[in-house]
Amino acid sequence: DARVTQTPRHKVTEMGQEVTMRCQPILGHNTVFWYRQTMMQGLELLAYFRNRAPLDDSGMPKDRFSAEMPDATLATLKIQPSEPRDSAVYFCASGYRGGGEQFFGPGTRLTVL
Amino acid sequence: GESVGLHLPTLSVQEGDNSIINCAYSNSASDYFIWYKQESGKGPQFIIDIRSNMDKRQGQRVTVLLNKTVKHLSLQIAATQPGDSAVYFCAENPRFYNQGGKLIFGQGTELSVKP
Repeated sequence: DARVTQTPRHKVTEMGQEVTMRCQPILGHNTVFWYRQTMMQGLELLAYFRNRAPLDDSGMPKDRFSAEMPDATLATLKIQPSEPRDSAVYFCASGYRGGGEQFFGPGTRLTVL
Repeated sequence: GESVGLHLPTLSVQEGDNSIINCAYSNSASDYFIWYKQESGKGPQFIIDIRSNMDKRQGQRVTVLLNKTVKHLSLQIAATQPGDSAVYFCAENPRFYNQGGKLIFGQGTELSVKP
């Protein structure tokens, strides 16, 4: 049963700390997306990769956020330094076509105090 | 203090009735559309998709209708069950056939099924 996995599932940290979220896309998928979901903004696309290369990160605050794919089985999203307004659920999704169906992970619920 | 957030449209139906969830999309160039279901505490889950060269597509208990003239998408759920209670998102992709672009999500509709 192939699925996207994300770690950690929950993270509570203090303002100013570095946060790293990890995602393992479905094997064989070549496109990986990072989303943020909040009550205020709904589901927002932060960045996405195809074949490990970043295609679009225009939705991401670049001064504190960074996204990478060290290899085909791992995508990371880092926030440094974190701020209370970063509190949200962060989803990773993967797909095997540029704009087709995306398969979502369970999300990382981040709380920044 | 009181928190302010999105007030999702809510649809409340009786178990066994049919549900219709509507979505207006923004980009006339969008050529691929998906409906997702998100249950509390989980990630969005694919329900059904449709390409712009189709007006209707059916799945198991679900039907998606596409009206390109008015840029409107609907999801019909037959014989709604308590397990269908969730937030439903429509998503559009402006450049599917060019293998580019990204999904743009709507704000979502909360479906509540009364037993």
